[in-house]
Amino acid sequence: DAKTTQPPSMDCAEGRAANLPCNHSTISGNEYVYWYRQIHSQGPQYIIHGLKNNETNEMASLIITEDRKSSTLILPHATLRDTAVYYCIVRVASGWNAGNMLTFGGGTRLMVKP
Amino acid sequence: DTGVSQNPRHKITKRGQNVTFRCDPISEHNRLYWYRQTLGQGPEFLTYFQNEAQLEKSRLLSDRFSAERPKGSFSTLEIQRTEQGDSAMYLCASSLGQTGELFFGEGSRLTVL
Repeated sequence: DAKTTQPPSMDCAEGRAANLPCNHSTISGNEYVYWYRQIHSQGPQYIIHGLKNNETNEMASLIITEDRKSSTLILPHATLRDTAVYYCIVRVASGWNAGNMLTFGGGTRLMVKP
Repeated sequence: DTGVSQNPRHKITKRGQNVTFRCDPISEHNRLYWYRQTLGQGPEFLTYFQNEAQLEKSRLLSDRFSAERPKGSFSTLEIQRTEQGDSAMYLCASSLGQTGELFFGEGSRLTVL
């Protein structure tokens, strides 16, 4: 699976959009981008994933650049409860050559401030 | 609560003792994963099962570590002759099939004195 690069930390004001970048310049054509977050003292939580189109769900939006070498996770209206470590992971999603595990990097520690 | 359940949540042991952690996955999930997480680091993959078969083990899983999933339901992770370096959070996750959407438990924190 391709490696990802994320800033170690970011701050965001409560109520504002949090934009978390991820670089995955070596991503392959069949690799998806996954985002997880981990709130303090809890297990990681799945947020969203995508291949090349932008995706949106009730938690966040995922914007993937046209060349797929980077992506941005957007939390549209960050709250204090969104303070967490956010992990960007690249993985072959399914099929015979699907990745069998998720490889977590260091993630981005997002601090949402009042 | 129908999420992934891990027990015990906290375990303090002396070096050299054996410890066992249990994970109860979401009932219909056929894949079960074990991860280890040390302070300030992301989770590291240890091993995973598809039903009762252990299909992959990380190099991190030394011979002191053994994991089982005897009936394809719950799983246990045993650490023999614990060392201080084994102190970590042990996370269990489950999934349905090969999806990358894993559901994690809250972890079992091990402290080896």
